[in-house]
Amino acid sequence: DTGVSQDPRHKITKRGQNVTFRCDPISEHNRLYWYRQTLGQGPEFLTYFQNEAQLEKSRLLSDRFSAERPKGSFSTLEIQRTEQGDSAMYLCASSTTGTSDYEQYFGPGTRLTVT
Amino acid sequence: AQSVTQLGSHVSVSEGALVLLRCNYSSSVPPYLFWYVQYPNQGLQLLLKYTSAATLVKGINGFEAEFKKSETSFHLTKPSAHMSDAAEYFCAVSTTGTASKLTFGTGTRLQVTL
Repeated sequence: DTGVSQDPRHKITKRGQNVTFRCDPISEHNRLYWYRQTLGQGPEFLTYFQNEAQLEKSRLLSDRFSAERPKGSFSTLEIQRTEQGDSAMYLCASSTTGTSDYEQYFGPGTRLTVT
Repeated sequence: AQSVTQLGSHVSVSEGALVLLRCNYSSSVPPYLFWYVQYPNQGLQLLLKYTSAATLVKGINGFEAEFKKSETSFHLTKPSAHMSDAAEYFCAVSTTGTASKLTFGTGTRLQVTL
């Protein structure tokens, strides 16, 4: 098991462009979370999936953001018409329901820079 | 609603000295509490967790934390700091009613000096 992976690790884009990030969770994990971390802050919850269903979205997730998890496996997070305020580290985590449903494993993150 | 407050954004200790990083939480229901460590440009690694079992929790790399309900605290300690402990540390809380989504504190940067 290689853990949670994210791609790309770094993304530089110009304001107004669209970007998409991918997260591959640990294979047997049915929950997948997205968090955003800005400089000097702790991660903030964006959204989470249980299998393919998106069950909760934070108010931080504006209508320019969309996340999917087709077939309950990998997930994508798309940001349309990027703004400089979107510059942050985007972290993905996964967990499994059951006796350890409180323990989340994080990927290395995707650092987005909007110029 | 749940929240976490980490006192001290920066803590500096000498190598070999005691490490104490403070975390206070707020939760209307029994919480699950976590400490994560983050090295530069990396994701978060779980150090330890409290999930309503033993109040003194031991984690990796010699860290431990004690859950004190009366003080709503979950401070992280290590008896003897090592240079490799220099990193950012985050305290986080979740509850069973929130699908385990984590609410993080703002973090404490630990510096270890010779």
